Amino acid sequence: AQKITQTQPGMFVQEKEAVTLDCTYDTSDPSYGLFWYKQPSSGEMIFLIYQGSYDQQNATEGRYSLNFQKARKSANLVISASQLGDSAMYFCAMIPLTGGGADGLTFGKGTHLIIQP
Amino acid sequence: NAGVTQTPKFQVLKTGQSMTLQCAQDMNHNSMYWYRQDPGMGLRLIYYSASEGTTDKGEVPNGYNVSRLNKREFSLRLESAAPSQTSVYFCASSGQPGEFSYEQYFGPGTRLTVT
Repeated sequence: AQKITQTQPGMFVQEKEAVTLDCTYDTSDPSYGLFWYKQPSSGEMIFLIYQGSYDQQNATEGRYSLNFQKARKSANLVISASQLGDSAMYFCAMIPLTGGGADGLTFGKGTHLIIQP
Repeated sequence: NAGVTQTPKFQVLKTGQSMTLQCAQDMNHNSMYWYRQDPGMGLRLIYYSASEGTTDKGEVPNGYNVSRLNKREFSLRLESAAPSQTSVYFCASSGQPGEFSYEQYFGPGTRLTVT
């Protein structure tokens, strides 16, 4: 079984500052994938970034980067130069890859990020 | 491409009524999923279908049934709705043949209220 913990229920950040959203995980699978999704107030789930457990480098996608520390079992999301449109719920999730990656995602409870002007 | 579509967008049921939530994807994905999202709980997996012809229980399957009708369509049925099933339901899909991508693409969600 997998478990995702997001310890920040809510965060307020000034526009243009960098933001780090925390995520720790627990799994017994030797191979797994880690995701971050954004959910704006409109409700849709938007994929942001993916990191495989065997990837040597931290994943980056534009202003998003994933700070992956395997030994600490953490997968923090870093948003550089935050914008007002970044205000949303952010979910960390993981999937075991030993079964081919077709299992469902396990999600954390989310962090509500509010960017202030 | 429409991606993942869900019908209906909103539904109100009385306790004991039944209904089926429909989901379809046009991305030729092998795997499809149903999740529910309750306030403060994140998303939880109800059922999934790793490939056409197979279905498996997730974390919270009680009170639900699913059907993988074909590669495109995956439906979720509530046989006798209960107020505890009031939630937002998301369908997702992943796994295009020949690609090593585990990203799941989500539908817009169905907001279900059971009174």
